[in-house]
Amino acid sequence: DQQVKQNSPSLSVQEGRISILNCDYTNSMFDYFLWYKKYPAEGPTFLISISSIKDKNEDGRFTVFLNKSAKHLSLHIVPSQPGDSAVYFCAAGGSGTYKYIFGTGTRLKVLA
Amino acid sequence: EAGVVQSPRYKIIEKKQPVAFWCNPISGHNTLYWYRQNLGQGPELLIRYENEEAVDDSQLPKDRFSAERLKGVDSTLKIQPAELGDSAVYLCASRRTGIQETQYFGPGTRLLVL
Repeated sequence: DQQVKQNSPSLSVQEGRISILNCDYTNSMFDYFLWYKKYPAEGPTFLISISSIKDKNEDGRFTVFLNKSAKHLSLHIVPSQPGDSAVYFCAAGGSGTYKYIFGTGTRLKVLA
Repeated sequence: EAGVVQSPRYKIIEKKQPVAFWCNPISGHNTLYWYRQNLGQGPELLIRYENEEAVDDSQLPKDRFSAERLKGVDSTLKIQPAELGDSAVYLCASRRTGIQETQYFGPGTRLLVL
């Protein structure tokens, strides 16, 4: 049973436009969410996180939105740059468990 | 600040052979994780340490996998004997103990079992 789902395996976006990556979860006990970016042959790199007490968190070009009622979060990248081309993983966990469940990833390709 | 260090980066072995992976976490990070990532999948937790204690090893295949973190700093993950299905990337991550602290990953060890 996949508790964290990223239903889009890939996404292509033109440089300068917005990239929107989606993630759904099933466990209502999850209250902390993270996004990681992964380049080939490297480990995942932390990008941005959000706690369930918020519905939005912003860091530069990256914004994460959380819709608790829909059990859905999304990562917005504006404007998208070719260097953003990577695989993006969302992860979810419950505070105090220190355990995170990862989605299967979305491969983003930003076209110059 | 140095990141999470893992070695080796790549390993090719024949099935039934043993293999070991090493991880040195970020200084001051008491929590250490080992994950396995299969092709096209997200990382899956194998074991989590709080200092030297393994507090969650429910997904570690204990018949062939073992791990240790003797002094609460660096850690070793071992597979003996390796099977073809163990081919994957093995990732180590660490974090400071505390609520809502981010975990940081090492570069991983890519294992190929022939």
